[in-house]
Amino acid sequence: GAVVSQHPSWVICKSGTSVKIECRSLDFQATTMFWYRQFPKQSLMLMATSNEGSKATYEQGVEKDKFLINHASLTLSTLTVTSAHPEDSSFYICSASVGLGTDTQYFGPGTRLTVL
Amino acid sequence: QKEVEQNSGPLSVPEGAIASLNCTYSDRGSQSFFWYRQYSGKSPELIMFIYSNGDKEDGRFTAQLNKASQYVSLLIRDSQPSDSATYLCAVRLGYGGSQGNLIFGKGTKLSVKP
Repeated sequence: GAVVSQHPSWVICKSGTSVKIECRSLDFQATTMFWYRQFPKQSLMLMATSNEGSKATYEQGVEKDKFLINHASLTLSTLTVTSAHPEDSSFYICSASVGLGTDTQYFGPGTRLTVL
Repeated sequence: QKEVEQNSGPLSVPEGAIASLNCTYSDRGSQSFFWYRQYSGKSPELIMFIYSNGDKEDGRFTAQLNKASQYVSLLIRDSQPSDSATYLCAVRLGYGGSQGNLIFGKGTKLSVKP
């Protein structure tokens, strides 16, 4: 149980383009989904938290107009990196929990983004 | 600034030995503590969580929590080469809103030598 998927697993794009990453909870309904970013040899940094049907809460320093998050249903959240630049190249990982951030977070397999 | 500190390692142990991974946290009000394992290029996978002071055992893994010392550890008994990974300690401050978010340490890289 508690399986989270992400798509795509990796993506290479040109600078200036937008990339959409999907996060799905496959066998449970995720009230809360989290988006993290991890640079090489660094820890996970929380970007934003989203609850189904409401606007995402972004962490300080994360541009909400650049990283668009949509949590349209209890099983799907999407992260769109708009006008991507090479410095946005990173490992993007989503996680999901059943409760309102109180329960264990289950992580997706991650999406490696490379911006040329 | 709420922080979670871990020794980056690498921690090297021989196969069959006990690996001891340590983590300290700055916010005394922290409520929940998690250990995740992350293989290179992969996302974290939950090993175990602990909420109360003392020890919690699950198979070869034992988590130890000491809230007075703001210290949480993970022991891996009978270490196997497949345990070689980076171990992330994560702390949750509380419940609801941003209190429910996890704060991660940078991880300790464990290497188990055959």
